[in-house]
Order: sequence, then structure tokens, then C-alpha cells
Amino acid sequence: DTGVSQDPRHKITKRGQNVTFRCDPISEHNRLYWYRQTLGQGPEFLTYFQNEAQLEKSRLLSDRFSAERPKGSFSTLEIQRTEQGDSAMYLCASSPSNYGYTFGSGTRLTVV
Amino acid sequence: RKEVEQDPGPFNVPEGATVAFNCTYSNSASQSFFWYRQDCRKEPKLLMSVYSSGNEDGRFTAQLNRASQYISLLIRDSKLSDSATYLCAVPNAGNMLTFGGGTRLMVKP
Repeated sequence: DTGVSQDPRHKITKRGQNVTFRCDPISEHNRLYWYRQTLGQGPEFLTYFQNEAQLEKSRLLSDRFSAERPKGSFSTLEIQRTEQGDSAMYLCASSPSNYGYTFGSGTRLTVV
Repeated sequence: RKEVEQDPGPFNVPEGATVAFNCTYSNSASQSFFWYRQDCRKEPKLLMSVYSSGNEDGRFTAQLNRASQYISLLIRDSKLSDSATYLCAVPNAGNMLTFGGGTRLMVKP
């Protein structure tokens, strides 16, 4: 499979716990994006990497959120001290440059 | 005003009908636009890119009206399988896409 891969597909966690999601982009894509989507809304931008450099972070990305792309390949998104409002679909996307994205299947997070 | 706005719908149409959605954007400097299709509980998938006045792919036509700052998506001869949410997206200078809230289409037999 040469698409964007995300793991896990689903995560249920208790409020206050930390969670980490992984994204493996399409190998030749140097740009990687994280988005969050809640029911009935469009995806909202969280952060963007070009290779290993994190170039942009949304104000939605509070200090409980951190993202890394250590070698310019896969990326992780960690949420510390999860809150119920963090429940959403977390989507990763990659692109080669200024073209439309390819999204992964997403990680659906439920905070209980 | 939101950066990208769409009528949430739902648009309920019979099979074979022609349906059109509009998407308005606020940044007059935007040069490219995208339509994505999203099925329930799935990821968005790129449907069409629009870089100039419009684009056509089979039953789907996207048109850009720069003067009024909107893009439209026209679907001809609707199929049951076209039922989905259609998202428009506008990139900024760094290619970060801003999405509209999506328009839900339901095609009925």
C-alpha cells in the first residue's frame, strides 16, 4: 500500500491520559500535515512539516499537543492530559509540493 | 466572515438529476482550489483541482468565479454512489488548506 498510513485507527482513552498517533506519509512527499475533524465540520489545520522542519502551527494546537517528524519521514502527534473536547478524527495528509493532499484514513479519538 | 463557506445541505436529489454546490472564499489572492469527496466516517479524497477558470472530469464540472469569489461543483446525471459530503478547500501561501464545512449530498432512487 503506497498511500498515507495512520495508526491506530481508533483510540479510546480516559480523560487525563496521554495518547500518541503515528502517520506514515507517501514516501516521496516532503510535506506532511495534521488536521482535526469533528462531526459535521470540515477538517481544521493543526500543523505542517516540510521534511523534518515544523513550519506552521495553528492556534488550535495548545501546549498539550506536540508533533514531531524526526527524520523527515513518519510523524507523531501526541496529546497530553486529554480532555473530552479532544475527541475527534485526527487526519494526516501528505503532498509533494503545491498540490492537493492525500489523506490517511485517520485516527478516531474518543476521550471518556 | 469565514475564510471558506459552504451550504451544509443536505441536498436531496433523485437519480439522474443535475445538482450544483457553491463554495465562497474570502482571500481574493487565492489561485488554486480543490474539491474533496468524503464518505461517512472516511477520509477526504481529492475529487478535482481548479487552477484557472474551471475543470471538467466526466460528470463533474468545477467552475471558478474570481469576481464573486466562489467556486462551484456541478454533478450531472447523479448516481446513488455520489451520495457523500463534498468539501471545498483553498490553500494559503504555504499550501495549508482551509476547508469549508462541507455540503452533504443524498441521491435517492
